[in-house]
Amino acid sequence: DAGVTQSPTHLIKTRGQQVTLRCSPKSGHDTVSWYQQALGQGPQFIFQYYEEEERQRGNFPDRFSGHQFPNYSSELNVNALLLGDSALYLCASSLGTGGFMSSPLHFGNGTRLTVT
Amino acid sequence: QKEVEQNSGPLSVPEGAIASLNCTYSDRGSQSFFWYRQYSGKSPELIMFIYSNGDKEDGRFTAQLNKASQYVSLLIRDSQPSDSATYLCAVPPPRGATNKLIFGTGTLLAVQP
Repeated sequence: DAGVTQSPTHLIKTRGQQVTLRCSPKSGHDTVSWYQQALGQGPQFIFQYYEEEERQRGNFPDRFSGHQFPNYSSELNVNALLLGDSALYLCASSLGTGGFMSSPLHFGNGTRLTVT
Repeated sequence: QKEVEQNSGPLSVPEGAIASLNCTYSDRGSQSFFWYRQYSGKSPELIMFIYSNGDKEDGRFTAQLNKASQYVSLLIRDSQPSDSATYLCAVPPPRGATNKLIFGTGTLLAVQP
């Protein structure tokens, strides 16, 4: 049973560049959420995708955008990178949007983004 | 006031002791509470969740919820060095959007052999 997979595992970009991160959800899951985890902090919610639509968004600028494909996989795009975007980006999957007690979040191992 | 607060630690306990990790939350309407474990450089892993006042036990782990005092705790009995990790408390917003978890900053636990 494949868990949540993310690629790449590490990425180094220059300020002002654009980056795309990819995520495949756990088998049987159809909902993908993205979180940003800065060093020493807890994960912060970026947005969630369900049925190929953004369902909920956290307090992140429009530079952060995403997409979900018919096979439930998802991409996170960040434009005009800033030094402060350096973080671990976590993808989490679940089934439906009915709440976390019925379908807890399962996290991938993340993509470590470094902006120089 | 932060929505979910945890002492960042480190909390150091000897092997075999009970580790007690605490979390407070600001919104009295919060209904469910989640504990995740995160090893250094790895992803958060769900340990357990609780939504009723009182205790919930799962193996060596016990979650305790006190809604009147707005705190939730995680007890780890017979602590092992392999329990050394950051423990994250997470709460869904009680109203409106429920499609996200709000995490605390986590408590670093160090179990000394």
